[in-house]
Amino acid sequence: LAKTTQPISMDSYEGQEVNITCSHNNIATNDYITWYQQFPSQGPRFIIQGYKTKVTNEVASLFIPADRKSSTLSLPRVSLSDTAVYYCLVGDMDTGRRALTFGSGTRLQVQP
Amino acid sequence: DVKVTQSSRYLVKRTGEKVFLECVQDMDHENMFWYRQDPGLGLRLIYFSYDVKMKEKGDIPEGYSVSREKKERFSLILESASTNQTSMYLCASSTEDNEQFFGPGTRLTVL
Repeated sequence: LAKTTQPISMDSYEGQEVNITCSHNNIATNDYITWYQQFPSQGPRFIIQGYKTKVTNEVASLFIPADRKSSTLSLPRVSLSDTAVYYCLVGDMDTGRRALTFGSGTRLQVQP
Repeated sequence: DVKVTQSSRYLVKRTGEKVFLECVQDMDHENMFWYRQDPGLGLRLIYFSYDVKMKEKGDIPEGYSVSREKKERFSLILESASTNQTSMYLCASSTEDNEQFFGPGTRLTVL
């Protein structure tokens, strides 16, 4: 399973755009990139998933360069409620391989 | 909405006890997972299952076993609880495209 590296923590202010970058140098051809968000005392929650280029949903955007060795989660105009831990994962989507590896995540602190 | 439930939010056990953590999902997902989460270490995969009666070891299976007799239920078993198994335990199930849905977690304390 590909290992991921992301910053331990980030600080931001309300209304700013936040970009969290994750490196995954040994990503495999069949791996997708997925981001989860976790609030204190709760289980992680799926945010976004992509394979290449750009993916956007109502919560975030995910940018993946052509070599796929890194990815960037972009949160537009963060609010205090976006304070959470964000996990970047890569996972094999082949049949029978459903396990993902969570790293330590990035703790985002949004200040007023 | 997908719902993943865990049998207890908080549990206190004594060293050497046999501990059962139960997880149930209501969306007919084939894949289910058990993780533990400790400060500074993120989530670590203990075991997962992609079908009834099937199980695969994760990154830290030592000291744990699992049971999947029915599709909706995945049990984590600590045969003889030890203090280093004090942790937050999270269960998840996933769709075909691997979007994982997590339960609320069980905070286990082993004295």
